[in-house]
Amino acid sequence: GENVEQHPSTLSVQEGDSAVIKCTYSDSASNYFPWYKQELGKRPQLIIDIRSNVGEKKDQRIAVTLNKTAKHFSLHITETQPEDSAVYFCAPYNTGGFKTIFGAGTRLFVKA
Amino acid sequence: DVKVTQSSRYLVKRTGEKVFLECVQDMDHENMFWYRQDPGLGLRLIYFSYDVKMKEKGDIPEGYSVSREKKERFSLILESASTNQTSMYLCACTYSSNTEAFFGQGTRLTVV
Repeated sequence: GENVEQHPSTLSVQEGDSAVIKCTYSDSASNYFPWYKQELGKRPQLIIDIRSNVGEKKDQRIAVTLNKTAKHFSLHITETQPEDSAVYFCAPYNTGGFKTIFGAGTRLFVKA
Repeated sequence: DVKVTQSSRYLVKRTGEKVFLECVQDMDHENMFWYRQDPGLGLRLIYFSYDVKMKEKGDIPEGYSVSREKKERFSLILESASTNQTSMYLCACTYSSNTEAFFGQGTRLTVV
């Protein structure tokens, strides 16, 4: 089956620093690569996504980069703020099973 | 905005009880999913459905069943609740196969 790994599992940064979370997947036919943010006590929500025909996408302080050859994509957050503290999940679409598989999550702490 | 509503926010059930978790979406989305969320394990897929009366097993279907009699409603059934099914359950829907997932608010189930 599809294997999805996220690293690191926990990340602590100082406010203003950058944070990078990496997601590795095994399905070479995956064509949709989203990142979700889950704040404490709330539901996961999409923050950025990318499709396989694009290598990078930016939205203000967040960006996603995709390396299809190496089968990984990364979430980049610049100028981190305390409100960025949350759990982040990658969820590459699994074309074989027609389902979305989530990574185990990365807990980001931004220290003020 | 897509609205995904789960019938209960918190539930406490006894071991051996039959438990129904209901999920309703209001945006005519094709696909619906049930995940359970446990610390350190991320979101694990239990069952999903891509059409009325259709269902597919996810990664951890044992001890669960589902029902989708109408497009907007997807029910998760615990035939005989056990303590190891104590968890947060999240329902989600997507418009098509590889698009954004919208989540319900979650049901925290405790089996005693």
